[in-house]
Amino acid sequence: NAGVTQTPKFRVLKTGQSMTLLCAQDMNHEYMYWYRQDPGMGLRLIHYSVGEGTTAKGEVPDGYNVSRLKKQNFLLGLESAAPSQTSVYFCASSFWVPNTGELFFGEGSRLTVL
Amino acid sequence: AQSVTQLGSHVSVSEGALVLLRCNYSSSVPPYLFWYVQYPNQGLQLLLKYTSAATLVKGINGFEAEFKKSETSFHLTKPSAHMSDAAEYFCAVSGSGTASKLTFGTGTRLQVTL
Repeated sequence: NAGVTQTPKFRVLKTGQSMTLLCAQDMNHEYMYWYRQDPGMGLRLIHYSVGEGTTAKGEVPDGYNVSRLKKQNFLLGLESAAPSQTSVYFCASSFWVPNTGELFFGEGSRLTVL
Repeated sequence: AQSVTQLGSHVSVSEGALVLLRCNYSSSVPPYLFWYVQYPNQGLQLLLKYTSAATLVKGINGFEAEFKKSETSFHLTKPSAHMSDAAEYFCAVSGSGTASKLTFGTGTRLQVTL
């Protein structure tokens, strides 16, 4: 009963490097989200997806790209990492639209950009 | 647009004392309101939600919250704190439309002391 799984859990990058965070859910959820969590700022939505093959911008999308080629996976990419992208990233999924349903979160991926 | 304000980034209570975490919302449409809890090094999990049914909502682990439209508040309470309640708590709001997404507050860290 894995729920939402994020890989990797920790990563250190140098400025300008690229990387991809993988989110996998085994609950057959339609909706998936990527958030970033920064001290004193709560969670901010980066990108989200309302179904396989769809993506949309959230509150802070700049510097990130996403893809949802398979229903169970939602990838977050950083093409050229910047120190401002140092954060903890959370993936979440939900079966229903988010305002009526429960979001299930992964355990987070801590990214440090030097 | 919706937003929430959590008053107090840190709250400390003694074990057995009342827990009160404050959340005020702003919404141009009837809101749906949520409290999420985040234990150390974990993702968020839903504590309780208000979706226009009963104004007093009961959640897990003895927590409850009351929706007060006149005060635009959704404060979280628990009669008697336990050491295991130490965590960060996030209030969140969304609109009632199916396209609405969650907007999180900045969080309140609850410390429980002996």
